[in-house]
This record gives sequence, structure tokens and C-alpha cells, in this order.
Amino acid sequence: SQQGEEDPQALSIQEGENATMNCSYKTSINNLQWYRQNSGRGLVHLILIRSNEREKHSGRLRVTLDTSKKSSSLLITASRAADTASYFCATDRPGFQKLVFGTGTRLLVSP
Amino acid sequence: GAVVSQHPSRVICKSGTSVKIECRSLDFQATTMFWYRQFPKQSLMLMATSNEGSKATYEQGVEKDKFLINHASLTLSTLTVTSAHPEDSSFYICSALEGEGHNEQFFGPGTRLTVL
Repeated sequence: SQQGEEDPQALSIQEGENATMNCSYKTSINNLQWYRQNSGRGLVHLILIRSNEREKHSGRLRVTLDTSKKSSSLLITASRAADTASYFCATDRPGFQKLVFGTGTRLLVSP
Repeated sequence: GAVVSQHPSRVICKSGTSVKIECRSLDFQATTMFWYRQFPKQSLMLMATSNEGSKATYEQGVEKDKFLINHASLTLSTLTVTSAHPEDSSFYICSALEGEGHNEQFFGPGTRLTVL
């Protein structure tokens, strides 16, 4: 399977704490994207990082990419209860439009 | 941002019946749409890539005769689950690419299919 892996599978923190999720993938990539999914809902695009970028910020989100290790991390700072969701990384390969999703991290932020 | 809708959001059907799910791009033209399925607490698995005006490309292990895909216009793709069985019960999600050179897929809200 080409599916990427994420860890941890589940993460439980208190509001105000930071949450870090990691994603590893198997092939060379064009881009890596992070998505959020609330239970039973569709996906919300969070951030896209290109293969030639190493770090990207968007609000309380910080994404890093290490292509030599084929890994990425998503950091959510000062978490809120509303951040409770599943988070998925997804990669696309050069010449291919389709996305390969990671296994996901279920984040629970308690008030 | 671009909006993708799916209809219906939830459907319950009996074994042996066929179910059609629609995916529409509301404010942009989508030359390429994708269909995924997601089992509870699992990730999204790509089923097929749908290109307007041509046959869909199915991923390995996905039965093309069971999951019929039609992308008849630049704003609509349909997935028909034929002769549905309980094991087809899942969350089906579509996504759309705005056009050549665009990397971001816009996802629909998903359709929950339950086959009794």
C-alpha cells in the first residue's frame, strides 16, 4: 500500500496546549497537504506545502516538511476545543493529480 | 473558496438496489473529480478518478461494474453503487480539481450510505 502513516493515532490534550502530529510517506512528492475532518463530515483544507519548502505557517498552524526523511509535522498552537477533529496528511506525486492520504490522527482537545 | 456539494447526504437502501450519489462543483468547472470511500475511524481511500467526457480510472481492487462513474459535465460527476450489499455501507466523499495546474482538491461534505 502506498498509504502514508500518521502518528500518533490519537492525541488527547487540554485547551491551550500545543498539538503535534506527524506524517510519513513513501514516495517522492510534489506537494503535501493537511486536512481536518470533523466527525461524519467532509474534509477542510488546512495548508499545502510544496516539496521545495521546509516550513509554512497559517494562523495557529505550523507545518514542516523533511523530504530527506519523507516526513511532515503539523503543529497546532494554543489549541481550542473546536480543534477536536481528525487530521490527515495527503501527498501527490509528480505527474499525478490524485492524493494519497495518511492514516490520520484523532485529536481531542478538552476544555 | 470553491464549493463542492454532494447529494444525498445520507441514504439507506435495501440489499440489491442501486444508489446514485451526485457530486457538483458549484462555483467552478472541474475537469477532474475524485471519489473516495471511508470506513469508520479509517482514512480516505481513493476509488476512482473521474475526467469529464472520458471513462473513469479506477484504483486497483475497485470493481468498475459495481461502482459506475459518470462525469457528463464540467460541474457534475455521479457515482452509482449497483446491487448494493451491506459491505458497501460506507462514507463516500468526492473532491474536485479546479483545472490544470491546480493542486488543491475541494471536498464535498460526503454521503453516508447504509445498506440493510
